[in-house]
Order: sequence, then structure tokens, then C-alpha cells
Amino acid sequence: AQSVTQPDIHITVSEGASLELRCNYSYGATPYLFWYVQSPGQGLQLLLKYFSGDTLVQGIKGFEAEFKRSQSSFNLRRPSVHWSDAAEYFCAAGCYNQGGKLIFGQGTELSVKP
Amino acid sequence: DTEVTQTPKHLVMGMTNKKSLKCEQHMGHRAMYWYKQKAKKPPELMFVYSYEKLSINESVPSRFSPECPNSSLLNLHLHALQPEDSALYLCASSERGTSAETQYFGPGTRLLVL
Repeated sequence: AQSVTQPDIHITVSEGASLELRCNYSYGATPYLFWYVQSPGQGLQLLLKYFSGDTLVQGIKGFEAEFKRSQSSFNLRRPSVHWSDAAEYFCAAGCYNQGGKLIFGQGTELSVKP
Repeated sequence: DTEVTQTPKHLVMGMTNKKSLKCEQHMGHRAMYWYKQKAKKPPELMFVYSYEKLSINESVPSRFSPECPNSSLLNLHLHALQPEDSALYLCASSERGTSAETQYFGPGTRLLVL
């Protein structure tokens, strides 16, 4: 069955520290991969996405993610975390024949310590 | 303009009420989505409309009735809901309704069923 796993439910980092959020997927073929962020009381906003090509993807707000086929992973990174990055982060995946349907991971809640 | 608007922001209804949620986008997108999101959980897809036709219904109970009057508008009619239907209801849109596209989310309607 297709699935997306985010192993970390909650992560706390200090402001200015680096961040890595993990995402693993299980699909028959390489899916389209996305990272979305949701601030409290808000909808989701796309940070970045991967379809093919360069395995290091740059997104908005200084986020990047690296696709590793051998590990079925698509981890999100931020070199220096800002207090405003505190939010819920969702990894999602979809396939070409699924008509817009995405499978979301359970989410990782990020807290930032001053 | 990459905005998806949703009204109302908050809604409280009794189990015998009939109400409607509204969603609007002016990005020229031809696919629109309804998601349900419980606290601390990822969004769950309910319905997808592509070119004003219902393309995906994720086995949603009939007390939820979607409607797409035109490509810019999406409604969700609610009738005889249960308390467990209390959640954040998110609307999203994308260009054509494939899983490769970015989905743009509205801020959601927070629904409380008493």
C-alpha cells in the first residue's frame, strides 16, 4: 500500500539552529513529493516539490529538501531556524494517475526555542 | 493572486441544521478539493472536482453534499451532521486536477457540531 511516514511527531529546536524533518514514502514507483507547512489556524502552504531531475530542491523561505531514491526519503532542511518557522509540517506524495489525490504524512510539529 | 477564500471562518450548528460552506478561487484553476482536518492530524481528502465534474468521492457520508456551480466556486452542503464531524474544513484548488500540481489551500472553516 502507498504510504508516507514522518517519524517525528514533535521536534523542538533553538532559534538559529539547523533543522531536518524526515519523510519516507512507500510507493510502487517514484511519486511526486511535496512539503507543505501549516501555521496555527491557517491552510497549508507549499514549501517545495520534487518531480524529477536534480535531487536537491530549493523552496520558499530558505527551505530545501533532498530526494534519496535508495532510502525512499525526502527530508526537509533549513540551515538556520527562525521563530516564525514554528508550525506543522506535512510531507505528501502523489502519483500521475491519482487525479489530484495526495497521501499526507502524519505531520511534524516544530517548536522553536528562543 | 494565489488566494483561495472560504466562508464562513467559523460555524456552529446543531445536528438538525442545514448549512453550507463556500469556497472561491480566481486563479483560473479547473480543479477544486474539499478536505477535512481533525486537530493534530493531516488533511483527509473528501471530494475532488475537475472541470466542474465530481472526479473523486472518498466514500464520504451523504450528509456531506458537494456542489461546483462553476470553475471558481465550490460549496459543501451540510445536513444532519454528527458531533464527530466537527473539524477544520479546507478547500484547495489546482490547475487541472493531477497529483503533480501544487494545491493552493484556503484558511479553512472551523465547524463545531453540537
